[in-house]
Amino acid sequence: NAGVTQTPKFQVLKTGQSMTLQCAQDMNHNSMYWYRQDPGMGLRLIYYSASEGTTDKGEVPNGYNVSRLNKREFSLRLESAAPSQTSVYFCASSPGVYNSPLHFGNGTRLTVT
Amino acid sequence: QQQVKQSPQSLIVQKGGISIINCAYENTAFDYFPWYQQFPGKGPALLIAIRPDVSEKKEGRFTISFNKSAKQFSLHIMDSQPGDSATYFCAARGGTALIFGKGTTLSVSS
Repeated sequence: NAGVTQTPKFQVLKTGQSMTLQCAQDMNHNSMYWYRQDPGMGLRLIYYSASEGTTDKGEVPNGYNVSRLNKREFSLRLESAAPSQTSVYFCASSPGVYNSPLHFGNGTRLTVT
Repeated sequence: QQQVKQSPQSLIVQKGGISIINCAYENTAFDYFPWYQQFPGKGPALLIAIRPDVSEKKEGRFTISFNKSAKQFSLHIMDSQPGDSATYFCAARGGTALIFGKGTTLSVSS
């Protein structure tokens, strides 16, 4: 059982380049999330999808877009990468949005130069 | 009001000792308080969680103490082991999103 799978594991971008981070879960969860983790800042929510067909902004959505492709997959897109987006990105899923434990992937380490 | 304040930022404990990490919140609408454990190179994983109608929850060597009136909760790790060395995050749920503390890096020396 793979759980939450994120690709790629590492990525280096130049300022202004675009890329999409992929996330897939095999637990039949309804809700999916994208967080970023920066040193000393904890985990901050970028976007989430409460259920297939819906997406909502989190705490730090600027510079990002998301797509809930189907129940399993939730992608995060950086249209024009900036050095401030250098971070570790985590995808997570949960059975529902209310009082459900989050299951995290192992992250994508992104560096923007 | 959406913040969760976590302390200390780092903690060094001897093997067999007690590790204590504290969190405080302001929003009384928060209704679910989990702790996550994260090892280097991995995503956070749920360790233990509590709801505000309970003052304490214990699972093995891990205990959450919850003080609703003070709006504080803490994680106690009894008989700390080197394998407990990790980063710990407290969190609180209000509505649809989990708000995380900034994390505590625990090192257990053998």
